[in-house]
Amino acid sequence: QLQLQESGPRLVKPSETLSLTCSVSGGSMNSNSYSWGWIRQPPGKGLEWIGSIFYSGSTYNNPSLKSRVTMSVDTSKNQFSLKLNSVTAPDTAVYYCARHLGYSHGGEWIDPWGQGTLVTVSS
Amino acid sequence: QSALTQPPSASGSPGQSVTISCTGTSSDVGVYDYVSWYQQHPGKAPKLIIYEVIKRPSGVPDRFSGSKSGNTASLTVSGLQAEDEADYYCSSYAGSNNLVFGGGTKLTVL
Repeated sequence: QLQLQESGPRLVKPSETLSLTCSVSGGSMNSNSYSWGWIRQPPGKGLEWIGSIFYSGSTYNNPSLKSRVTMSVDTSKNQFSLKLNSVTAPDTAVYYCARHLGYSHGGEWIDPWGQGTLVTVSS
Repeated sequence: QSALTQPPSASGSPGQSVTISCTGTSSDVGVYDYVSWYQQHPGKAPKLIIYEVIKRPSGVPDRFSGSKSGNTASLTVSGLQAEDEADYYCSSYAGSNNLVFGGGTKLTVL
């Protein structure tokens, strides 16, 4: 059974870079049937798609965040990562990593999800 | 891309049916049959319950069903049970490898 687990600092200072890693277990990332992505949820609010990365390294981003987001993948370690730069308080959220499935390289639906990690932006 | 529009709340009594709508545009819901629905219990990660408008992943009860007409997709929960009380989010493919979510609907079982 595929499982995903987020890890990284829980507290980030304003203007700095948020960095998270997702570790994938129970399956291989080397597949052209999936991509791997990030979704966030501010406390008490709805979900926002951040972006996804194909195993080859091709990335697909939410246009509203595109300029601040960098994603990478390391299939040898079964991990992929997210960096969000120049963070401010509104970037405070639970960040989920997840597998994206579907027909395009970016994926059309999401399953399964990691448990999520709360990242707080504060000085 | 703009978020899809969902009603903030919905409710029903045990055994009843409730339908949650998800309205997009001709650039997402209206043109792609890639609407998915997610169930999220408090403090938990979302769980996929419907994909490609009408398909259910293995293990999801057939009480959950999806449909679409024009720019609006719908999730129907039949035979409501207490465990169905949760937040529900729709999502649609929006072209160019982008996804967009709805604002979420809190389902209360009375």
